Amino acid sequence: NAGVTQTPKFRILKIGQSMTLQCAQDMNHNYMYWYRQDPGMGLKLIYYSVGAGITDKGEVPNGYNVSRSTTEDFPLRLELAAPSQTSVYFCASSYRGNSGNTIYFGEGSWLTVV
Amino acid sequence: AQKVTQAQTEISVVEKEDVTLDCVYETRDTTYYLFWYKQPPSGELVFLIRRNSFDEQNEISGRYSWNFQKSTSSFNFTITASQVVDSAVYFCALSEAYFGNEKLTFGTGTRLTIIP
Repeated sequence: NAGVTQTPKFRILKIGQSMTLQCAQDMNHNYMYWYRQDPGMGLKLIYYSVGAGITDKGEVPNGYNVSRSTTEDFPLRLELAAPSQTSVYFCASSYRGNSGNTIYFGEGSWLTVV
Repeated sequence: AQKVTQAQTEISVVEKEDVTLDCVYETRDTTYYLFWYKQPPSGELVFLIRRNSFDEQNEISGRYSWNFQKSTSSFNFTITASQVVDSAVYFCALSEAYFGNEKLTFGTGTRLTIIP
């Protein structure tokens, strides 16, 4: 059971390039999330999904796109990378258990835009 | 809108001292969840505790304890007899209580340094 897996772990992008951060979970969780963490700050929600085919914006969605074609995968797309998108990105998933919600985080993806 | 405030940006204490990390939150929801996460230098997020808004009992787990007071909207975290391995950034977070949906609002974190 791998939990939440993010790839790549590190990436350097040039301004204007595009890339996709991959996120996969093998726990059959309906809910998935993308957060970003800027230096010295807490995490902020970019996008989330309540199930396959359904996505919604979080607090800081501009410059990003997501899709959820399967329960397992929730990729985050950066179309035109900007220096302001230099950040650490965390993917997460959650489910509703008997004692309430439980959320699992991936290990993070460090992205630098130069 | 929800908000979490961690007023202490950085704290340094000598090993074996006790230290309390403050967390104050704002929400209009009557049902919500509060969390503490630890982020060591390696960068991953380590779950420490999750508390339902209806459960105001204080909790102790080894050297860690949490004090939840709805009257002051605070959820403070105390480490007793601190150790160097406790050095990390600690985040307090708040989530709405929707079924299975765990959208978290994080504070800005407190960087804790334990001096040997």
